[in-house]
Amino acid sequence: AAGVIQSPRHLIKEKRETATLKCYPIPRHDTVYWYQQGPGQDPQFLISFYEKMQSDKGSIPDRFSAQQFSDYHSELNMSSLELGDSALYFCASSLGDGEQFFGPGTRLTVL
Amino acid sequence: GEDVEQSLFLSVREGDSSVINCTYTDSSSTYLYWYKQEPGAGLQLLTYIFSNMDMKQDQRLTVLLNKKDKHLSLRIADTQTGDSAIYFCAERRNAGNMLTFGGGTRLMVKP
Repeated sequence: AAGVIQSPRHLIKEKRETATLKCYPIPRHDTVYWYQQGPGQDPQFLISFYEKMQSDKGSIPDRFSAQQFSDYHSELNMSSLELGDSALYFCASSLGDGEQFFGPGTRLTVL
Repeated sequence: GEDVEQSLFLSVREGDSSVINCTYTDSSSTYLYWYKQEPGAGLQLLTYIFSNMDMKQDQRLTVLLNKKDKHLSLRIADTQTGDSAIYFCAERRNAGNMLTFGGGTRLMVKP
């Protein structure tokens, strides 16, 4: 069965650079969620989209923005990167408010 | 997450049963989930329980929910070395569909 696809899987950036993470949900899923998992931490909710509209907002810094496109894929844009942004970024997708299925994550390292 | 708590570590012998516990604080939680995370990997949805249920069994997994005490447990029967991972409980509250995760329990299965 098709799963959530995230790209890239690994990303290394310098401080103050920008990064774009992409998420392709399971086919026919219309809702996308972004979570950030710091080293040794539990995943923290950042933001979610339903039918291309932002549905919920969590602890997402103002330096980050995200959107969902007409094909339901989503992109998380991160600017002015800081060392503390180094984390595993997960995307999850669901059909409406159903179960969330997580992608493999993008590991971002900020040097 | 500060609203969802789990013990940090559990060690069992292969073939024994494992019980991983979780407490949450929000009585409006609608669904409670268990996710498994292997090293460097994504979050795999194991099972979930609706808040009006007391128990759910799925093969080797049994979920017990005590809504009065806001206590959730995951029992893994006949634990195998491949079950070694970090197990996260997560709650979905009435307001919004985002998940709030516990800090994770690292399960170590000794042969």
